[in-house]
Amino acid sequence: NAGVTQTPKFRILKIGQSMTLQCTQDMNHNYMYWYRQDPGMGLKLIYYSVGAGITDKGEVPNGYNVSRSTTEDFPLRLELAAPSQTSVYFCAIALGFGYTFGSGTRLTVV
Amino acid sequence: KNEVEQSPQNLTAQEGEFITINCSYSVGISALHWLQQHPGGGIVSLFMLSSGKKKHGRLIATINIQEKHSSLHITASHPRDSAVYICAVTTSSGSARQLTFGSGTQLTVLP
Repeated sequence: NAGVTQTPKFRILKIGQSMTLQCTQDMNHNYMYWYRQDPGMGLKLIYYSVGAGITDKGEVPNGYNVSRSTTEDFPLRLELAAPSQTSVYFCAIALGFGYTFGSGTRLTVV
Repeated sequence: KNEVEQSPQNLTAQEGEFITINCSYSVGISALHWLQQHPGGGIVSLFMLSSGKKKHGRLIATINIQEKHSSLHITASHPRDSAVYICAVTTSSGSARQLTFGSGTQLTVLP
């Protein structure tokens, strides 16, 4: 998915550990999003940003934090990992004609 | 009740068949999107619709605003069309074009 880079692709965390999921875009777009995808469920919005320095909560923000110090980067922070945060995470940007998604991060909390 | 409902959840077809996936929504929208999620997990945008019909290759998407319903059609289906197809909307109340998703339709096309 050209334009949006997510790292890492896979990660296993122990309960209580912390980590940051990285999302970087090179398309200079303002609107960025973090979604999580659980089996059999639609993607859910965690946090979003409409530009550098501006972030807001989505539908399922508990247990997560974000920052947007630059247009390019929108990292998602998990402070105290819990099994309920086992999921696949997608970063996305809004384009004029649709969206571009990162390739996803598969996170398992054990 | 979910704001975006898709049917069917699972669909198996033979190569060459005409396929229809349906999406209904219960909120005001500014646009409806069809996305494709490959078996490897990547998600790509297929269509963005606010009215009428769009076509790209063998894929056709339609929307009926009055009935709050959209369909995605695949003509002459092929095994490479096997994927999860996701309907999503940007609501008219949403200020930042955030998406509300259906739960997806798993399509398998057999050779």
